[in-house]
Amino acid sequence: DTAVSQTPKYLVTQMGNDKSIKCEQNLGHDTMYWYKQDSKKFLKIMFSYNNKELIINETVPNRFSPKSPDKAHLNLHINSLELGDSAVYFCASSHGPTAMTDTQYFGPGTRLTVL
Amino acid sequence: RKEVEQDPGPFNVPEGATVAFNCTYSNSASQSFFWYRQDCRKEPKLLMSVYSSGNEDGRFTAQLNRASQYISLLIRDSKLSDSATYLCVVNNQGTYKYIFGTGTRLKVLA
Repeated sequence: DTAVSQTPKYLVTQMGNDKSIKCEQNLGHDTMYWYKQDSKKFLKIMFSYNNKELIINETVPNRFSPKSPDKAHLNLHINSLELGDSAVYFCASSHGPTAMTDTQYFGPGTRLTVL
Repeated sequence: RKEVEQDPGPFNVPEGATVAFNCTYSNSASQSFFWYRQDCRKEPKLLMSVYSSGNEDGRFTAQLNRASQYISLLIRDSKLSDSATYLCVVNNQGTYKYIFGTGTRLKVLA
């Protein structure tokens, strides 16, 4: 069974469109994250959620709206896509920084290409 | 200054060699440290956490130097399968914010 799954794996779309990426984890973790990895391979945190509550929003444009319907899911909706949004988006989950060991488990990534 | 800095490499080493990477961090309040491994076009995976006293896992040894604010990763007896990008990760003050370095690329050559 996949621990952290994301769909879709690939997403190619036109500028100005709205798209969503879904993430699910079956590890029983309380904390979930979205990261963006750009063309230079720099992995940057976008959002952290703990028990469905937004904890961190790293100055992400409000075109990006995460939604956590329950602890096991964290979806990312992006409005009015721009060329600069092209990147690989990784979802991750963990027990959280207060746990004894806080390993983050990453999903396989969603490769978004905006044309 | 970047919050977490790594030499991007690539480090090209022959099989069997010993190779070491360093990673410096700027926030002295940082509490948790990790090394992740990322293969090409794959997700990052935890290689090892880094503890204050240093820790070893097989061929891999991680060290933390709080005074100089760096962590290191030593790989002994390099294998071809060790070829990957190694990401240094720092968690500041036990928050939910994990800061990744840009990674050090390792190529182990036959």
